[in-house]
Amino acid sequence: GIQVEQSPPDLILQEGANSTLRCNFSDSVNNLQWFHQNPWGQLINLFYIPSGTKQNGRLSATTVATERYSLLYISSSQTTDSGVYFCAVKPAQGGSEKLVFGKGTKLTVNP
Amino acid sequence: DAGITQSPRHKVTETGTPVTLRCHQTENHRYMYWYRQDPGHGLRLIHYSYGVKDTDKGEVSDGYSVSRSKTEDFLLTLESATSSQTSVYFCAISESTGFNYGYTFGSGTRLTVV
Repeated sequence: GIQVEQSPPDLILQEGANSTLRCNFSDSVNNLQWFHQNPWGQLINLFYIPSGTKQNGRLSATTVATERYSLLYISSSQTTDSGVYFCAVKPAQGGSEKLVFGKGTKLTVNP
Repeated sequence: DAGITQSPRHKVTETGTPVTLRCHQTENHRYMYWYRQDPGHGLRLIHYSYGVKDTDKGEVSDGYSVSRSKTEDFLLTLESATSSQTSVYFCAISESTGFNYGYTFGSGTRLTVV
C-alpha cells in the first residue's frame, strides 16, 4: 500500500520562528490533507491540498503531486501551534476509501 | 467541531463486555468513518460508511461492527471488548470521497478495557 513519511519527527522552536514540515508519499494521490492535533487530542483539518498552494493566515501548504511531496509552512510560530501535525493521503488508484496517515511531526513551541 | 459529536467521551469497560460508541453529525455528509489512534501506529481506519446501510471494512476491522440506520448516526460496536481495543476512537465525516473535500473529526472517545 501507499507509504507516507513525515519529517522531521520532532521539532522544537522558539516562539516567533518559522518552520517547514515535509510529507513524502510513495504513489499518486487524489486527496491530501494536513491536520493539527492539539495537546488536548482534537484533530483539526488545516488544508485539503492534493496539488498546488494554499494559505491560511500564518500557515501555508504546497503539494507537488508530480514529485510526491507536500510541505506545510508555519510562520511566526506561537505556543498554540504546539501539537502533532499529520499528513494524510488517499491513493488515486484502487478506489480505496482509506485515508492513510503519516506518523506525524511533533512540534513544540517554547515561549 | 459543532457539526460532529461523539459519545461517550470516556469509557472504562471490562473485558468481554459489549460496547457501543456513537457518532452523530448535523452536516448531512454522506461519508462517515471510524478511526482508532494508538501510539506507534498513528490513525488507522476501522470501518466507514458511504450512505445509510452502506458500510465497508477498513484496515483494522476485526472485532468491530458498525451500523448506520440514519444519515446522522454511525455506531461502532465492540462485540466483546478486549484489552487490545483500549484506544482513542475518532469519528470523521466528509461530504465527498475525492475532490475538494476534507475530513472533519470528532473530539474522540477514550476507551479503556480492563
